[in-house]
Amino acid sequence: AQKITQTQPGMFVQEKEAVTLDCTYDTSDQSYGLFWYKQPSSGEMIFLIYQGSYDEQNATEGRYSLNFQKARKSANLVISASQLGDSAMYFCAMRAVNYGGSQGNLIFGKGTKLSVKP
Amino acid sequence: DTEVTQTPKHLVMGMTNKKSLKCEQHMGHRAMYWYKQKAKKPPELMFVYSYEKLSINESVPSRFSPECPNSSLLNLHLHALQPEDSALYLCASSHFGGINNSPLHFGNGTRLTVT
Repeated sequence: AQKITQTQPGMFVQEKEAVTLDCTYDTSDQSYGLFWYKQPSSGEMIFLIYQGSYDEQNATEGRYSLNFQKARKSANLVISASQLGDSAMYFCAMRAVNYGGSQGNLIFGKGTKLSVKP
Repeated sequence: DTEVTQTPKHLVMGMTNKKSLKCEQHMGHRAMYWYKQKAKKPPELMFVYSYEKLSINESVPSRFSPECPNSSLLNLHLHALQPEDSALYLCASSHFGGINNSPLHFGNGTRLTVT
């Protein structure tokens, strides 16, 4: 079975500081992808960053970086220089190839609500 | 601006009404999805279309009826809904073909209230 675990229901961070959102995953597949999405109160799910299971380097996209530790099955999101607009719900998600014999579907964690304080 | 467009943004309907949610994308994606999201919960997969054919139905009640008229459009027809069906309905699209690195691109969602 595939599973994503986000253990932090809510996090606070001071503006301009860095914050790490935790994500651990469980899968028996060798090939999989890990994604982070941001969901503001408006509802849209915004794709932030992707890490492949065979990627040797951690993914980075602007102020977002993914701390990928394959042996520990963790894929934490690091947001540097937090901004007020970063306040939102953040979801970690996983997708595996050939899950159930077909292209894998996106499996979401329960999410972490990030609040940035001025 | 999102590249996946959903209409309407908000919908209030009675339990005897028939309504439709619409989704459109022009990114050339051949996989399209419907998700349901209750407040403070992650999205839950409802349906997946691959090359305009229904490939996954996650045991969704028949009062939800999906339709994919062409590669750019995805509809969700609603009939005889229950108040517990009130939720945010998200449409998404992605590339298809056994690759796992294609992110899903989501629309802004339709906030549905069933009275």
